[in-house]
Amino acid sequence: DAGVTQSPTHLIKTRGQHVTLRCSPISGHKSVSWYQQVLGQGPQFIFQYYEKEERGRGNFPDRFSARQFPNYSSELNVNALLLGDSALYLCASSSGGQGRFGYTFGSGTRLTVV
Amino acid sequence: AQSVTQLDSHVSVSEGTPVLLRCNYSSSYSPSLFWYVQHPNKGLQLLLKYTSAATLVKGINGFEAEFKKSETSFHLTKPSAHMSDAAEYFCVVIHTGGFKTIFGAGTRLFVKA
Repeated sequence: DAGVTQSPTHLIKTRGQHVTLRCSPISGHKSVSWYQQVLGQGPQFIFQYYEKEERGRGNFPDRFSARQFPNYSSELNVNALLLGDSALYLCASSSGGQGRFGYTFGSGTRLTVV
Repeated sequence: AQSVTQLDSHVSVSEGTPVLLRCNYSSSYSPSLFWYVQHPNKGLQLLLKYTSAATLVKGINGFEAEFKKSETSFHLTKPSAHMSDAAEYFCVVIHTGGFKTIFGAGTRLFVKA
């Protein structure tokens, strides 16, 4: 079985641009969550989606948005990129809505803003 | 409010000696607690989870953790360290009343030969 897949694996963008990151969950998983991991720090929760609805949001500005599609895949969008948005963006999926049984993480998208 | 505190940013042990990585949590609700490991340039891997069943939880690769409600702790242990255990370890809390996942800052484990 395929794990959580994220695309692209690496990305370089210029300040002010927009970026879209994509995530495909494990087959049968209906919950997807997004995290930002800045170098040397723990992942910070951005969003969680379950059954195509936003169920949780972390302390990120409105420049960050996401959605979940009918096939449970998800996109994370970031507008007006700042240098500080440079990070590893991780997607995780779980079968249940609240992740009580743990999440399976993808390998991440490394975003560099120059 | 929820929070997770990993008490050591770095831990160094010799191969074959015990490992202790400390984690304290704060949660207004009954928490689900997890330990994840992240090897360099790799994704996060679930080591073990506590979800209000047995308080002593066994995970992969010989790791285990004990949930102590009175101390609000969920420390990770392993009887004998192996070189391949060198990695970053994250303690994570998810409270069952919501959908927010909180990671600790991480503990870097070094294993000396």
